[in-house]
Amino acid sequence: SAVISQKPSRDICQRGTSLTIQCQVDSQVTMMFWYRQQPGQSLTLIATANQGSEATYESGFVIDKFPISRPNLTFSTLTVSNMSPEDSSIYLCSVAVQGVMNTEAFFGQGTRLTVV
Amino acid sequence: AQRVTQPEKLLSVFKGAPVELKCNYSYSGSPELFWYVQYSRQRLQLLLRHISRESIKGFTADLNKGETSFHLKKPFAQEEDSAMYYCALSGQWGASYDKVIFGPGTSLSVIP
Repeated sequence: SAVISQKPSRDICQRGTSLTIQCQVDSQVTMMFWYRQQPGQSLTLIATANQGSEATYESGFVIDKFPISRPNLTFSTLTVSNMSPEDSSIYLCSVAVQGVMNTEAFFGQGTRLTVV
Repeated sequence: AQRVTQPEKLLSVFKGAPVELKCNYSYSGSPELFWYVQYSRQRLQLLLRHISRESIKGFTADLNKGETSFHLKKPFAQEEDSAMYYCALSGQWGASYDKVIFGPGTSLSVIP
């Protein structure tokens, strides 16, 4: 299993500013994932972050808007840049842990972002 | 293309009644299928996975490859089952781990 800590748990930000969300895992993992969950919506994958290489972004998400760092195997950050009210969402960090028979995704508690 | 659909956004059942949350998927290959649950004010957590063929909290889900479905079932709903349920898929076990794709979710409300 994996325990994930995300900081901050919530924030209210002014439009045009940036917020960096931190994700700390209690074990070394190869891949970390960042999701967004807009109000009343499902989880949408933003990007996959591998240690030592650039993040891979999903369609509709770009590095300039959501820069990601992955300095080591237990930590990652996601920055939401030049925020607008449309960026108000819950942002979740996730890791994949591969066991003997299958894989499982674990999630942080999420960061609830409100842009005003 | 990888896709997960859950046709019901909201589902209400009475306590003690059977419940079925529908899930269909499209995937080129043999994916791993999961059900995740999010209770009020709690983080998303795994409920069950198809490969384990397990029953968790009375819930079961059978993978039907012919119908590409993975419906979640429970014979007698309980009030504590009220939550948001997400069907999800990822790449096949044994291959390089793939991202998890989530369905839109079904909000289950169990009426006392």
